[in-house]
Amino acid sequence: EDKVVQSPLSLVVHEGDTVTLNCSYEVTNFRSLLWYKQEKKAPTFLFMLTSSGIEKKSGRLSSILDKKELFSILNITATQTGDSAVYLCAGVNYGQNFVFGPGTRLSVLP
Amino acid sequence: DSGVTQTPKHLITATGQRVTLRCSPRSGDLSVYWYQQSLDQGLQFLIQYYNGEERAKGNILERFSAQQFPDLHSELNLSSLELGDSALYFCASSRHQRETQYFGPGTRLLVL
Repeated sequence: EDKVVQSPLSLVVHEGDTVTLNCSYEVTNFRSLLWYKQEKKAPTFLFMLTSSGIEKKSGRLSSILDKKELFSILNITATQTGDSAVYLCAGVNYGQNFVFGPGTRLSVLP
Repeated sequence: DSGVTQTPKHLITATGQRVTLRCSPRSGDLSVYWYQQSLDQGLQFLIQYYNGEERAKGNILERFSAQQFPDLHSELNLSSLELGDSALYFCASSRHQRETQYFGPGTRLLVL
């Protein structure tokens, strides 16, 4: 059965810290990995990763995929209180089936 | 505001009942996805439609069904409701398949 595991499940840091969130996956016919940020309500898209070793960046956030070791990391540098959220990763297969991890709850303290 | 609208915002109903959740995708988006998010199961993909046709099926129960209409809005029908169906139901849309999905605000369903 396909599954996605995220670690840690919860993380508390102070503003300015750098954090690394982990996502490992076992998805049959894997095509891509997605990262989302979920604050109070609906998830918002962060990254889609399809190729190994190519870092995607958006401001202070970056992510990379390792298809050999079946994992991805999401880095957030110089964290701000506005980064507090649940970060979800999802594996997608070629059949367009999405498998989500449980999420990492990040709390950034002032 | 993602441009995806969902109605109703909240729904309270009793076990055994049937409800319909509605989703209007962003203008121009052809693909609609439905997700269920509960405290114990997390976010789960239910089903995807593209331009009126079902394209992918996830963990959708047989008691649940969906469709996408010619005007591209979609409905998710949940029948014979059980307590465990209480959850937040999200709809998302994308221009085409395999593109960035934009989530709606969700419909919170409470089954009593």
